[in-house]
Formats: sequence, C-alpha cells, structure tokens
Amino acid sequence: SAVISQKPSRDICQRGTSLTIQCQVDSQVTMMFWYRQQPGQSLTLIATANQGSEATYESGFVIDKFPISRPNLTFSTLTVSNMSPEDSSIYLCSVEDRGREGYTFGSGTRLTVV
Amino acid sequence: GENVEQHPSTLSVQEGDSAVIKCTYSDSASNYFPWYKQELGKRPQLIIDIRSNVGEKKDQRIAVTLNKTAKHFSLHITETQPEDSAVYFCAAVMNSGYSTLTFGKGTMLLVSP
Repeated sequence: SAVISQKPSRDICQRGTSLTIQCQVDSQVTMMFWYRQQPGQSLTLIATANQGSEATYESGFVIDKFPISRPNLTFSTLTVSNMSPEDSSIYLCSVEDRGREGYTFGSGTRLTVV
Repeated sequence: GENVEQHPSTLSVQEGDSAVIKCTYSDSASNYFPWYKQELGKRPQLIIDIRSNVGEKKDQRIAVTLNKTAKHFSLHITETQPEDSAVYFCAAVMNSGYSTLTFGKGTMLLVSP
C-alpha cells in the first residue's frame, strides 16, 4: 500500500500567521485529498488536489484560506493562512490507494493556534 | 451530495462481547464502503471494506454487511478485546467524476476487561 510522509507532525502557531503542511507519497497518485478533523469530530474534506490543475474545494472552504499546491504526482502542500484559534485541528492528507483498493492517510498535523 | 449517518455515537461492551455499528447512506450511486479505526492521536486505519456487488465480507473477528436496497451497512466485531477500543468511522464513496470519501460522525467503542 501507499506510504505517505506528512510533516510537520504538530505545530503551535501565532494567530495571523500561516503554516504549510507537506505530504509526500512513495508512489504516483492521481488525486490527493486534504481533510480537517476538529477535536472529537469526524473527518471533513477540505479539497481534492489533482496534478496540473487547481484544487477543488468543498463547501465552506476557500482557496484564499487554504491554498493548495500539487506540483507533481507524489507531492502536495496545504497552507492554512491567516490563522485563528478556530483553525486548531488535525489536518490529514489522503490518497486513493489503488494497490489495495482503499484510501490511505498521512499521520496528520496537529495544529494549535494561540 | 452523499450523507452518511452512523450509530451509535458511543458503545460500551464487556470483553468477549460482540459490537455492532450501523451506518446508512443517502446516494444509491455509492459503491464502496470502508471502515476505519482511529486510535487516540493516530491516523485512521482501514480495517475492512466492502463493495456494492458483495453482501458480506469477513476478516477474522471483523465482518461488514451491506444492504443496498435499504442503503445501510454495518460493522460487526466479535469476541471484543480491550485493544479494540477506538473510534470507528464508516464512509461511503459516491461516483461523481472523482472519488471522495464521505464519513460518518464516528463511534467511540470502549471495551472493558
């Protein structure tokens, strides 16, 4: 199955600043997904990132707040911009793992905004 | 879009008992239903999945059943053990041109020794 390296694993940031989260996959994948998991909650899809095109954002999420890059088929970044305490969450990337017909997740980034 | 309802939100059982978690989905076009286990502070891990052309699938102590007509699917864990304690999420994939998972709200399973 696909192996995803996600970093940073955690960070504490000042409000008003930005944080960029990186995900590296050990195989080429068409789509990468970015999720947010607020404390004690389920996973909510932020956007889907395809290589060579703009990301597709879900309702309630906008590009200015969560810009995404997808420069090649193994890498993507999610930036959380102009952060506020409400952005404190776990952010996870995911890929559709054709090898074992499932979806694999990165280890997550625990973000705390103070 | 797809909507996935999951029940119960919490489930407490004694070690050795069985546990059942139920989910319903709204879009009949969904055809892939994975279950994830998330331990505290860790990433969701796929534990079992089922496709719409199958009614039941088993993997040791874990089984999943799917009723396409009623649009519901269930996770069954037999002979529960304390290490089964975690949050379990069901999900559904709707074929809308690209595959995105819609998750249920999760079930916190607590297995007491």
